[in-house]
Amino acid sequence: QVQLQQWGAGLLKPSETLSLTCAVYGGSFTTNSWSWIRQPPGKGLEWIGEINLSGRTNYNPSLKSRVTISLDTSKNQFSLNLSSVTAADTAVYYCVSGGVGATRMDVWGKGTTVTVSS
Amino acid sequence: DIVMTQSPDSLAVSLGERATINCKSSRSVLYNSNNKSYLGWYQQKPGQPPKLLIYWASTRESGVPDRFSGSGSGTDFTLTISSLQAEDVAVYYCQQYYSTPPTFGQGTKVEIK
Repeated sequence: QVQLQQWGAGLLKPSETLSLTCAVYGGSFTTNSWSWIRQPPGKGLEWIGEINLSGRTNYNPSLKSRVTISLDTSKNQFSLNLSSVTAADTAVYYCVSGGVGATRMDVWGKGTTVTVSS
Repeated sequence: DIVMTQSPDSLAVSLGERATINCKSSRSVLYNSNNKSYLGWYQQKPGQPPKLLIYWASTRESGVPDRFSGSGSGTDFTLTISSLQAEDVAVYYCQQYYSTPPTFGQGTKVEIK
């Protein structure tokens, strides 16, 4: 059974870059794709983007100019960078197994709370 | 973007009774090539990540109790909890993963009456 463990800085200042990493344990890294999803406090869920095993990325157009998702197959890890953060980027960020057109988005990391404040 | 609209926003049901949540997409999420609707249902409890209940609109995820069922195709979908249990109190989300970006409904809060 795949498990996802994520980590990264939890407190950022405006204009800094958010960086999170997610490690895949206990299963094949060769699933279709890997996504990042976020949830602002008390609000709904927003898909940020995805990467597949060949390194092809697909981003939410609303965030595309600021997002980079990368893959390290040697470590079974994938990462999220979000540049020029503002208070509106304050959210819980989740790494997730699956993406657009996948069978399902079934495994979620526990989430990382990221707060942007001056 | 495909807009996902859930109804109702909140729902109070007696223990053992049926709970029904509806989800409508602004465009079809049905892949004609495999006749699958790329629609998932999630349960989220406070402080926890969402948990996948249903995928492809009606396929129950492994380990999910059979009181949870999904139905629908194309643009109209339903999640049914056949006999509400205390542990089912949560917010439920539908999600389309047919096209970029995958989008979620606004959530339906299920409580005990």
